[in-house]
Amino acid sequence: GESVGLHLPTLSVQEGDNSIINCAYSNSASDYFIWYKQESGKGPQFIIDIRSNMDKRQGQRVTVLLNKTVKHLSLQIAATQPGDSAVYFCAEYTGGFKTIFGAGTRLFVKA
Amino acid sequence: DGGITQSPKYLFRKEGQNVTLSCEQNLNHDAMYWYRQDPGQGLRLIYYSQIVNDFQKGDIAEGYSVSREKKESFPLTVTSAQKNPTAFYLCASRTTGTNTEAFFGQGTRLTVV
Repeated sequence: GESVGLHLPTLSVQEGDNSIINCAYSNSASDYFIWYKQESGKGPQFIIDIRSNMDKRQGQRVTVLLNKTVKHLSLQIAATQPGDSAVYFCAEYTGGFKTIFGAGTRLFVKA
Repeated sequence: DGGITQSPKYLFRKEGQNVTLSCEQNLNHDAMYWYRQDPGQGLRLIYYSQIVNDFQKGDIAEGYSVSREKKESFPLTVTSAQKNPTAFYLCASRTTGTNTEAFFGQGTRLTVV
């Protein structure tokens, strides 16, 4: 079935470096994507979103890139901080009310 | 403050018992969702509801039941038919407009003892 997946389950980066988290999706009809951050024992929180008519969107220290040709999303975090340590999920909206979440990538930030 | 509240945060169940997890939102969202999360895993959809008195099965509905009698509330019952209920359960809500994010509760960790 349709799914959203992540290439790397665990990512370890040095504090201050940039982080890149990748995500592949399979539904070419999806038109809206979100990155969520989940800290341990808590619910996911919205980070940034992007519509399919865009290639790039920037927020505060975060950038999402969308490559529709290869159905790939990435989340870039600039100057990674210890507080960025969490699990990051990409989510694909297929239209209607269902959302497909990827398995997540755990980001470790080394001080 | 507007938000989505799950209770309890921790729940222990004996085998063979039904338990109900609470989810309440004051965001005036029409759509509500229940997800299950196992350690090191992603989110799997159990049930979702678009409007009051209507709900649909998700990908792993077996052993679970829900109700949507009020817009604000979407309780999930984990029945004795669910063979492996120990997990972290997340409730979410969102508006029915397109391109809108889901807001999540803080989760309920259910453990079978």
